[in-house]
Amino acid sequence: ELQLVQSGAEVRKPGESLRISCQGFGYRFANYWITWVRQMPGKGLEWMGRIDPSDSYTYYSPSFQGQVSMSVDTSITTAYLQWSSLKASDTAIYYCARMESAPRPGYTSYFYMDVWGKGTTVFVSS
Amino acid sequence: DVQMTQSPSSLSASVGDRVTFTCRTSRPIGSYLNWYQQRPGQAPNLLIYAASSLQSGVPSRFSGNGSGTDFTLTISSLQPEDFAAYFCQQSYLSPYTFGQGTKLDIK
Repeated sequence: ELQLVQSGAEVRKPGESLRISCQGFGYRFANYWITWVRQMPGKGLEWMGRIDPSDSYTYYSPSFQGQVSMSVDTSITTAYLQWSSLKASDTAIYYCARMESAPRPGYTSYFYMDVWGKGTTVFVSS
Repeated sequence: DVQMTQSPSSLSASVGDRVTFTCRTSRPIGSYLNWYQQRPGQAPNLLIYAASSLQSGVPSRFSGNGSGTDFTLTISSLQPEDFAAYFCQQSYLSPYTFGQGTKLDIK
């Protein structure tokens, strides 16, 4: 079955490090970018960036550049989102999603997120 | 960044109603616009991509329209399961920004 399985909820203190995961099943993992989306409590969706599992190329939204890092391990079809020093403002649900593309001859493909994980809740508090 | 503005922020409607949401972008983005539905406590779900293409498995009562800077999502006849939040997203320029969302609830 085509799915992304995310790791469980985490509770941390400010200043601690954290890595959450997103494992892909049912498709060729290396062929699709993985994106990460943040949803703070009661708020909307924020696109954090994406990683290409085939070469680990990453793009970070300027809002998240330097705040998080993305990585992959294609041998276990898993993507990671990592913090070196958490803040209380990192409290949120974090979703991973697969980025699909629809070709548009002569132009950039259409990109959209067609498969989503269920989300990982991260709670940061002293 | 491309700024996305959705309207209205919230909307009350009844089962069977026809509703339309609007998404406006700060610069032209062609048809590089996606719509997602998010039910309470669930992950988002893709409805429409490339402004008007219906994602596989999504009911045909959902439709998308528009290009350039102005886009709409229409639900032709509301069903109970449609009461949720709806988000637009552009994929024309990185970062692929979202609108702030429209919350649809039962009148």
